[in-house]
Amino acid sequence: DSGVTQTPKHLITATGQRVTLRCSPRSGDLSVYWYQQSLDQGLQFLIQYYNGEERAKGNILERFSAQQFPDLHSELNLSSLELGDSALYFCASSVGGRGVQETQYFGPGTRLLVL
Amino acid sequence: GNSVTQMEGPVTLSEEAFLTINCTYTATGYPSLFWYVQYPGEGLQLLLKATKADDKGSNKGFEATYRKETTSFHLEKGSVQVSDSAVYFCALMNTGNQFYFGTGTSLTVIP
Repeated sequence: DSGVTQTPKHLITATGQRVTLRCSPRSGDLSVYWYQQSLDQGLQFLIQYYNGEERAKGNILERFSAQQFPDLHSELNLSSLELGDSALYFCASSVGGRGVQETQYFGPGTRLLVL
Repeated sequence: GNSVTQMEGPVTLSEEAFLTINCTYTATGYPSLFWYVQYPGEGLQLLLKATKADDKGSNKGFEATYRKETTSFHLEKGSVQVSDSAVYFCALMNTGNQFYFGTGTSLTVIP
């Protein structure tokens, strides 16, 4: 158990809908990272937040947005969902925001299925 | 740009065999390099990392050396066990804190 929790574990929705994925980092970790893992795209880094502020951005679509709240939990919002958004979404956390020196701890993931 | 290329799988080995999973990268600047492991049904776990050229990361019998001259970070283990069966991902982080992952290599170790 990494200490990172994600809810829900599974989510089934329809095209065009909007969903929110939630992540609670390990106690004491200030950074949260979001990743998408799909069969065709592999594992892709989406975005990083550090202490409430956006720190780094990867291949995140404009239809997706994220935020980190004062209690350090984070939410990833996915809107206007398409079939291709079906994937496993991972959250990870680390102590600081220095990136290259940090060890990230991954949550178990949220599996999203868009029908 | 930044990218990671790792050897295609799946890889099947007998217990106690030697393991090599190749990983090469393209990056601007001086990235850090990582190997992550994903066991079935779980999230990724950091296996080892190296933050500068010639660094060797090691953990649980696995090793990888950051080779700047060949832009490689190959994963090796001298004697694999059944419990090593998992998917292994090579990754880099650039100085902009952006991560890039390889496609993953599935390893199955048979008794």
